[in-house]
Amino acid sequence: DAGVTQSPTHLIKTRGQHVTLRCSPISGHKSVSWYQQVLGQGPQFIFQYYEKEERGRGNFPDRFSARQFPNYSSELNVNALLLGDSALYLCASSRDGRNTGELFFGEGSRLTVL
Amino acid sequence: GESVGLHLPTLSVQEGDNSIINCAYSNSASDYFIWYKQESGKGPQFIIDIRSNMDKRQGQRVTVLLNKTVKHLSLQIAATQPGDSAVYFCAENFPYSSASKIIFGSGTRLSIRP
Repeated sequence: DAGVTQSPTHLIKTRGQHVTLRCSPISGHKSVSWYQQVLGQGPQFIFQYYEKEERGRGNFPDRFSARQFPNYSSELNVNALLLGDSALYLCASSRDGRNTGELFFGEGSRLTVL
Repeated sequence: GESVGLHLPTLSVQEGDNSIINCAYSNSASDYFIWYKQESGKGPQFIIDIRSNMDKRQGQRVTVLLNKTVKHLSLQIAATQPGDSAVYFCAENFPYSSASKIIFGSGTRLSIRP
């Protein structure tokens, strides 16, 4: 069975540009969460979507936005990129989106902002 | 922030010995705790979880201990193998939201001596 898939795996952008990251959850999973992992730190929660609606948002500026599609895949968008946005962006899926359920992570999209 | 620490603590153990990784969590209202393993270049992988109504849970070669009095979590790995080399994160759920928001610790890097 396919796990959580993310694309692209690596990308390089310059300051001020915009980026879109994509995630496909495990088949049957209706919840997708996004995390940012800066080098040397643990992942930080950005968003959770369940059944196409935003369930939660972390402490990130409005430059970060996301959405979930009818097939439960998701996009994370970041506008006006800053150097500090350089990080590994992780997508995680779960079956029902409860905060006491197992999350399954993808391999991440590594974003470098120059 | 919720994820603190710029420097990963490290633990070096002899192959075959038992490893104990410790973690202090932040919120006494958290009721679900998870250990994740993250290998280089990969996303976090679920190892084991425990709910707050338990103080011990065992898996295959791993045991998690929870001490709610001092807000302490530990992961014990029996007969440590080279494949156990990774960064280990403890994580807790965010209890004030229905969102599946997981708060990660800063991680411990486990290295295995042959």
